[in-house]
Amino acid sequence: QKEVEQDPGPLSVPEGAIVSLNCTYSNSAFQYFMWYRQYSRKGPELLMYTYSSGNKEDGRFTAQVDKSSKYISLFIRDSQPSDSATYLCAMSLDSNYQLIWGAGTKLIIKP
Amino acid sequence: DADVTQTPRNRITKTGKRIMLECSQTKGHDRMYWYRQDPGLGLRLIYYSFDVKDINKGEISDGYSVSRQAQAKFSLSLESAIPNQTALYFCATSEEPEGETQYFGPGTRLLVL
Repeated sequence: QKEVEQDPGPLSVPEGAIVSLNCTYSNSAFQYFMWYRQYSRKGPELLMYTYSSGNKEDGRFTAQVDKSSKYISLFIRDSQPSDSATYLCAMSLDSNYQLIWGAGTKLIIKP
Repeated sequence: DADVTQTPRNRITKTGKRIMLECSQTKGHDRMYWYRQDPGLGLRLIYYSFDVKDINKGEISDGYSVSRQAQAKFSLSLESAIPNQTALYFCATSEEPEGETQYFGPGTRLLVL
């Protein structure tokens, strides 16, 4: 079993919909939880990160961490075609430790 | 200009050949990383370096070697390329203590025939 599981998709939704992307993990010691976005033929870029449990909001994006269930989510409100990309979750034990990555979910927003 | 650059962007080589992928950064970060990305497997860490004299193996270092020539330069070598090493390779940098924020280059697409 992989340490971090992520549905590869593709997930296709109409423009304006609320999108929910998820990852599950097995190591309860993870403390840092990240979401990276990767456009086609580009390197990943950090979208959001959360330390420990709770929610974090940034514009149309909300990251949620549920450590009791070992489950993290990224919500995108009012989705736009420009949100079409692959979203990768990543986790680490602390800020100076290597990141453990999910396989990424490909998201397609249809105009 | 891009903060993290990789050369070449695309490379086709034959089994058994030695090749080098290069990474340069202008962000002034001490930490540099090499990953490979395969469909369905996500990013896997090959090697990482916390400074010029500190180089560490990652999850999948077999068949690869690295050289940290300077703070700004980190090269990845495939000693004897095999088809299984066909993948997308990324270089990344980060700054202590914000290791969770990594800055990626544009990637190198490698095809080993």
